[in-house]
Amino acid sequence: DAGVIQSPRHEVTEMGQEVTLRCKPISGHDYLFWYRQTMMRGLELLIYFNNNVPIDDSGMPEDRFSAKMPNASFSTLKIQPSEPRDSAVYFCASTLSGARRGYTFGSGTRLTVV
Amino acid sequence: QQQVKQSPQSLIVQKGGISIINCAYENTAFDYFPWYQQFPGKGPALLIAIRPDVSEKKEGRFTISFNKSAKQFSLHIMDSQPGDSATYFCAASVPNNNDMRFGAGTRLTVKP
Repeated sequence: DAGVIQSPRHEVTEMGQEVTLRCKPISGHDYLFWYRQTMMRGLELLIYFNNNVPIDDSGMPEDRFSAKMPNASFSTLKIQPSEPRDSAVYFCASTLSGARRGYTFGSGTRLTVV
Repeated sequence: QQQVKQSPQSLIVQKGGISIINCAYENTAFDYFPWYQQFPGKGPALLIAIRPDVSEKKEGRFTISFNKSAKQFSLHIMDSQPGDSATYFCAASVPNNNDMRFGAGTRLTVKP
């Protein structure tokens, strides 16, 4: 398995622009998580899905953030409009319920909003 | 959001020494305690994990010590090597395996 695949690896955008981050989880995993990592706040859970259904989005910082999982093999995190304070590394992770093997993380997307 | 407190923030150890990172938690419903290792430019990767029914788990040079009554657990890296230099995160989750809570991370530097 290729692991969790995220794209793009790096994104630089101007304030006010729309940004879409993409994630392909490991095949067969039924949980998908979006995290944001910053020096100040560490790893923050933004939202997670179970069987493509959003379960908890309480970590999404504002209405500017939205996430979708249209099928078991694809999820997006969208920021519209983007702001400089959104600059961070965004990670997607997946796991299989009951497996107790922890999460498998992607390599992340480094977002810079200028 | 943070329910797991990790210390120290950074740690410098000489090659061959023992690295010790500590974590404490409050939620007694947590029943799975993994440690993740993150190298620059990479996502965190599962290193070792423990359940609260055992007090210690060892995998090679990495050992988790777990103290249920104190609600603390720690990672020990024996014979630390420069290749161990990374950021380490402790974490905890409840039985349904979702919403894992991460510590703030410890940046370990092993000097040659």
